[in-house]
Amino acid sequence: AQSVTQPDIHITVSEGASLELRCNYSYGATPYLFWYVQSPGQGLQLLLKYFSGDTLVQGIKGFEAEFKRSQSSFNLRKPSVHWSDAAEYFCAVYAGNMLTFGGGTRLMVKP
Amino acid sequence: DSGVTQTPKHLITATGQRVTLRCSPRSGDLSVYWYQQSLDQGLQFLIQYYNGEERAKGNILERFSAQQFPDLHSELNLSSLELGDSALYFCASSVLTSGSLSYNEQFFGPGTRLTVL
Repeated sequence: AQSVTQPDIHITVSEGASLELRCNYSYGATPYLFWYVQSPGQGLQLLLKYFSGDTLVQGIKGFEAEFKRSQSSFNLRKPSVHWSDAAEYFCAVYAGNMLTFGGGTRLMVKP
Repeated sequence: DSGVTQTPKHLITATGQRVTLRCSPRSGDLSVYWYQQSLDQGLQFLIQYYNGEERAKGNILERFSAQQFPDLHSELNLSSLELGDSALYFCASSVLTSGSLSYNEQFFGPGTRLTVL
């Protein structure tokens, strides 16, 4: 069965600093991978997705992610964080007609 | 706004009771998915319906059931509630699904927060 691990439960960065959120997955075949963001009191919004092709994918709000098959990773990055990026971020893999989510990483942004 | 609506937003009930959560998918979407987000279990898939039929099942308890009606709205029924059922329940919808190798983006509703006292 597929699984997703997000090693960092909480991350705090200063506004304007760069960000990297880690995601490792376990799946036997080529995965469909996603990053979602959940703001307080809100549902989940899709930031970006990887199906195949170019391993560096661009998403909304200035986010990007890189798929590395050799490391089974799909880390999310942003070059300069804004205060409005404070939220919880979820990595997910799609297989067997279902999305399997990681435990989430809560991002806090210091002014 | 994703276009997926869920009612009610909040629900407070007692142990042993039964509740029904409602979801209206985006216009044109045939698939509905239910997810549970709790502090101890995280965000996990419960069940999927496609055009009225159950399509995939995740970690859904036997005390829980769901259905999708001809107008494509869906209801999640939770019975014999326990304290541990307190969670945020999300509904998502997508255009269609055509097999395990295909994917259509899921759009999530704002969730129903269930508190069992």
